[in-house]
Amino acid sequence: GQSLEQPSEVTAVEGAIVQINCTYQTSGFYGLSWYQQHDGGAPTFLSYNALDGLEETGRFSSFLSRSDSYGYLLLQELQMKDSASYFCAVRDGTGFQKLVFGTGTRLLVSP
Amino acid sequence: GAVVSQHPSRVICKSGTSVKIECRSLDFQATTMFWYRQFPKQSLMLMATSNEGSKATYEQGVEKDKFLINHASLTLSTLTVTSAHPEDSSFYICSARRSGTKDEQFFGPGTRLTVL
Repeated sequence: GQSLEQPSEVTAVEGAIVQINCTYQTSGFYGLSWYQQHDGGAPTFLSYNALDGLEETGRFSSFLSRSDSYGYLLLQELQMKDSASYFCAVRDGTGFQKLVFGTGTRLLVSP
Repeated sequence: GAVVSQHPSRVICKSGTSVKIECRSLDFQATTMFWYRQFPKQSLMLMATSNEGSKATYEQGVEKDKFLINHASLTLSTLTVTSAHPEDSSFYICSARRSGTKDEQFFGPGTRLTVL
């Protein structure tokens, strides 16, 4: 099976940089994704890493190290609207390619 | 981006009744859709995989007779919570994956179910 661990909560101030870590244990690996979810809303896709290294998309970057079974999401120039829950996720190895989510990290951005 | 819709967005029902939730992919065909449940301040837990034209595949611990899934077309999957009880109150989210290089999975806006 799969298990993904994240810190439960991270706090930061506007303009700062924050890193949200994700460690995973999977039977087979098909890439690490990151999703953002505001309270009461649907998860929205942020990024995807299939290979080691850093992927940058605007203020958000995501990093993967397959040898360490580890990844992180980096959020720069934090804004109040970035306050949300962030989930890492992996696909399992079945034919359906189910997406399994991590425990989630609640990010609180203060003025 | 691709859009997935859910209906209703919010439902309140009495204990013992059944509730149907619809999930539609609006601008792409989805042979496979996924149903998740999320309790407050917790992660999304996969309940079942809905397959067009065949039986759904349920995750361990999810009662298939209680959570009926029907995937009647390439754009519609339904989840029926039968004989709902207060412990079934939760946020139910469907999603569909569109093939591509980004491995994106698109989520519906969710349905907040409250069972009295």
